[in-house]
Amino acid sequence: GAVVSQHPSRVICKSGTSVKIECRSLDFQATTMFWYRQFPKKSLMLMATSNEGSKATYEQGVEKDKFLINHASLTLSTLTVTSAHPEDSSFYICSASRGEAEAFFGQGTRLTVV
Amino acid sequence: LAKTTQPISMDSYEGQEVNITCSHNNIATNDYITWYQQFPSQGPRFIIQGYKTKVTNEVASLFIPADRKSSTLSLPRVSLSDTAVYYCLVADNFNKFYFGSGTKLNVKP
Repeated sequence: GAVVSQHPSRVICKSGTSVKIECRSLDFQATTMFWYRQFPKKSLMLMATSNEGSKATYEQGVEKDKFLINHASLTLSTLTVTSAHPEDSSFYICSASRGEAEAFFGQGTRLTVV
Repeated sequence: LAKTTQPISMDSYEGQEVNITCSHNNIATNDYITWYQQFPSQGPRFIIQGYKTKVTNEVASLFIPADRKSSTLSLPRVSLSDTAVYYCLVADNFNKFYFGSGTKLNVKP
């Protein structure tokens, strides 16, 4: 199966700083990538849909200026959490689609804001 | 926004067959049904996918009735390592998933 890699897998940052999370499709070109966040013992919540070369589409209630998404190529999408606060601490997961019915998920990034 | 409904949790014992049913009453013509498994602090892992009737692979079977308003994931002879959360999802080829609560399967020795 296709591989999606996220980096870093864990990050700790200070309150007020920004942190960037990368999502790469290693062996295929992803027409669309998605970003999710997951709180402990909760389900995944879709944050935004990212298409290469165009602006991301954010779900209702997700602050686009807070969570900056850049989809620079067909194999890379980045999520930047700006001016992070402790309430942004969460597990962030990306998935990539190549236009088939199966989506491929990354291993997730654990963000802790202190 | 979740398109699916599943039991919140299920218990089973090692060696048993486990069937998890999912309701998706408003499934669209273009939607596929996909099941994922998630362990703590990991991304979801693909289990099986189908459109209609029955699909079987090396780890599971998926039963879909003719009206496609529900589906059943069947895990044969579960082991302790199958303890995880199982998500039933419906989406078209663009894979925009809205996750429901999932089913937490607890396999006991």
